[in-house]
Amino acid sequence: QKEVEQDPGPLSVPEGAIVSLNCTYSNSAFQYFMWYRQYSRKGPELLMYTYSSGNKEDGRFTAQVDKSSKYISLFIRDSQPSDSATYLCAMSKVGTYKYIFGTGTRLKVLA
Amino acid sequence: GAGVSQSPSNKVTEKGKDVELRCDPISGHTALYWYRQSLGQGLEFLIYFQGNSAPDKSGLPSDRFSAERTGGSVSTLTIQRTQQEDSAVYLCASSLYLPNIGQYFGPGTRLTVT
Repeated sequence: QKEVEQDPGPLSVPEGAIVSLNCTYSNSAFQYFMWYRQYSRKGPELLMYTYSSGNKEDGRFTAQVDKSSKYISLFIRDSQPSDSATYLCAMSKVGTYKYIFGTGTRLKVLA
Repeated sequence: GAGVSQSPSNKVTEKGKDVELRCDPISGHTALYWYRQSLGQGLEFLIYFQGNSAPDKSGLPSDRFSAERTGGSVSTLTIQRTQQEDSAVYLCASSLYLPNIGQYFGPGTRLTVT
């Protein structure tokens, strides 16, 4: 079993829809959680990071962490065709510099 | 400001040749990572540099892979006697000393071994 699981998609939604992207993990020691967006043939771009449980909002993006269920989510409101990309989750433990990445979910927002 | 830069952006090489990939991190970032990304796979950690400390090489897949970081800035990843399974995108990332707020990635080098 991988430490971090992420559905590869593709996930296709119409423009304006609310998108929910998710990762599950097995190691309860993870405390830092990040979401990256990666456009085709580009490097990952940091979107959001959160510490421990709770929600964090930034514009149309909301990151949610449920440590009891070992489940994290990224919500995108009013999705746009420009949001079409692969979304990677990543997580790390306190006191370590190593990140564990999910394999990414490919999102397509249809105009 | 300038982000992480990598060169070359694409590299095609013949099996058995050596290649060098370069990474120029964000100024002031003391931590530097190399990752490998293959189709359908997550990011595979290769090596980590932090300031003047000894690097963490635990992710290097074989002794054909090596990396160095000169002057705490630019880093070079070298792959000797390349094999077809080395074909992937090689990504470099940098971060501040406290990495848990995230890393900043370069555009990657797409390596194809024929």
